[in-house]
Amino acid sequence: GNSVTQMEGPVTLSEEAFLTINCTYTATGYPSLFWYVQYPGEGLQLLLKATKADDKGSNKGFEATYRKETTSFHLEKGSVQVSDSAVYFCALNRPGNTPLVFGKGTRLSVIA
Amino acid sequence: NAGVTQTPKFQVLKTGQSMTLQCAQDMNHNSMYWYRQDPGMGLRLIYYSASEGTTDKGEVPNGYNVSRLNKREFSLRLESAAPSQTSVYFCASSEEMAGLETQYFGPGTRLLVL
Repeated sequence: GNSVTQMEGPVTLSEEAFLTINCTYTATGYPSLFWYVQYPGEGLQLLLKATKADDKGSNKGFEATYRKETTSFHLEKGSVQVSDSAVYFCALNRPGNTPLVFGKGTRLSVIA
Repeated sequence: NAGVTQTPKFQVLKTGQSMTLQCAQDMNHNSMYWYRQDPGMGLRLIYYSASEGTTDKGEVPNGYNVSRLNKREFSLRLESAAPSQTSVYFCASSEEMAGLETQYFGPGTRLLVL
């Protein structure tokens, strides 16, 4: 079936460290891929997205590249800030009229 | 625009009580969703509505019912609450369900069932 697997957290980093959160997927066809972020006490919001192989989504210094050969969509940021502390969810949308499939989320804590 | 609003923000119920969680969106979106979020389990889809007048079961529909009252509103009802339904509930909406459509989430309802 269609699924998303994220690295387990929590991830704790010092400010200005490099961030990678791994995400791999299993899907039939060619899904669209997303990263959503959930700040403390809030609902999820879209961070970035990509629709086809080799597309790079980017926003707020975060980037992720759609890698079809490794079925991956890893999230990266070169220098994290305390304000990036949140839970990050990888998700995919299958072709056709079906809902998003979310990963279990990865909690990131950035300490000053 | 308020986006997606949910009421109440927080609720305590006793086992066996019933309640309805309300959700409304002002973005003229066709599709709406109810999720629950539990520690270690991520986000799980309870029910969704692809368009006004339709509803479908998601991953964990047991113990819940939904009503798509109109295009704006999508309510979630617990007929007889159980402690296992203690969770944070999120409503979301999107213009359509397919492709690159972004889902917009409400702020959540924290439910505690004693």
